[in-house]
Amino acid sequence: AIQMTQSPSSLSASVGDRVTVTCRASQGIRDNLGWYQQKPGKAPRLLISAVSDLQTGVPSRFSGSGSGTDFTLTISSLQPEDFATYYCLQNYNYPWTFGQGTKVEVK
Amino acid sequence: EVQLVESGGGVVKPGGSLRLSCAASGFTFDDYAMHWVRQRPGKGLEWVSLIGGGGSAPFYADSVRGRFTISRDNSKNFLFLQMNSLRSEDTGLYYCAKDISPYNSGWYPHSWGQGTLVTVSS
Repeated sequence: AIQMTQSPSSLSASVGDRVTVTCRASQGIRDNLGWYQQKPGKAPRLLISAVSDLQTGVPSRFSGSGSGTDFTLTISSLQPEDFATYYCLQNYNYPWTFGQGTKVEVK
Repeated sequence: EVQLVESGGGVVKPGGSLRLSCAASGFTFDDYAMHWVRQRPGKGLEWVSLIGGGGSAPFYADSVRGRFTISRDNSKNFLFLQMNSLRSEDTGLYYCAKDISPYNSGWYPHSWGQGTLVTVSS
């Protein structure tokens, strides 16, 4: 199975900060990568599909980039509602696999 | 509005079985692939299984293959997960999720239920 390694596993940031989360695949996955946000006690929410396609209703401060094995989720200006855990998901090969998550906490 | 309501979770002994159900409404059920995703207590997300809209092409995580079976009843808009030979590491919250794109064999889990809790413990 393809392994997805996210970094960092957690980070502390302030409102207004630019935040970057990275995800590395153990082999090339082309553009078959999505990003999810999960808040405590809630189901995950799909933010971005196919590396950089922002889902309807997701604020434009979220963006995704990358190709092959290295991918990035960027929040350009962190807002209070963005404190959450973020996961990448590869859907290039079965079994699909999530990264282990990155928790974005208040500094 | 898409609604997914999971049920069937509970406490079961190691080696036991459970059958999870997911009642779907608000969309044309058989147009969409469906997923099960789980989350162990305090841990991250783990994709478990996928089934195509017509019931085709089931796929499984390595950790559950051979023990879990995904199925669906398109006449009643239900998704199922039959879980056999349960282990302590199968403990967690199990979500069913609708795929983002119709007429596809699977693209991204998009709409999610609230989950049903499975506890495997002696």
